[in-house]
Amino acid sequence: DADVTQTPRNRITKTGKRIMLECSQTKGHDRMYWYRQDPGLGLRLIYYSFDVKDINKGEISDGYSVSRQAQAKFSLSLESAIPNQTALYFCATSDLRGDGYTFGSGTRLTVV
Amino acid sequence: AQSVTQPDIHITVSEGASLELRCNYSYGATPYLFWYVQSPGQGLQLLLKYFSGDTLVQGIKGFEAEFKRSQSSFNLRKPSVHWSDAAEYFCAVGGGVDTGRRALTFGSGTRLQVQP
Repeated sequence: DADVTQTPRNRITKTGKRIMLECSQTKGHDRMYWYRQDPGLGLRLIYYSFDVKDINKGEISDGYSVSRQAQAKFSLSLESAIPNQTALYFCATSDLRGDGYTFGSGTRLTVV
Repeated sequence: AQSVTQPDIHITVSEGASLELRCNYSYGATPYLFWYVQSPGQGLQLLLKYFSGDTLVQGIKGFEAEFKRSQSSFNLRKPSVHWSDAAEYFCAVGGGVDTGRRALTFGSGTRLQVQP
């Protein structure tokens, strides 16, 4: 099994729908992150969590929310999806040193 | 604020040629620096990292990078490129225990194409 598992791998949804992307990890890391990747823009931070009760906004949090259900689980929700949220979404984890992230395989989301 | 600039969006090299990918960073203290590689349809894999000490760091797959504080750079190099190196490469800064509550900031990436 992968250290960081993202579900679903691919999703097509309609504008206005609520959608949840899930991430689970077996690394035992306290820190978890959500990034989105767009061509030419690299990876941009959406939200990050340093432990279950410590959740922080990243640079592009508008239109997104997160839930840290347990140390191992960190989900990302789009409350009302819009087409410009079409992107590749990555979950990542790190230990307290933050000295190298482990990434999931990504969720490709298309909003039509 | 921390930031990373990768000036080259796309680079093409011939197989067997040497490679250098540029990365410039902005950071308020001694940075933690990373290079990641993303093969088509895959997630990101850590190539190498710099925290302190020797400014020339070795990574996986024959890659190395040199930290130059005076130039705020952390360029990635490989002496001889293989066709399997074709991928997108990301430089990142931040993280680490001394940075408090910051997460990694990534550059916009450099796509490497390898010609036979």
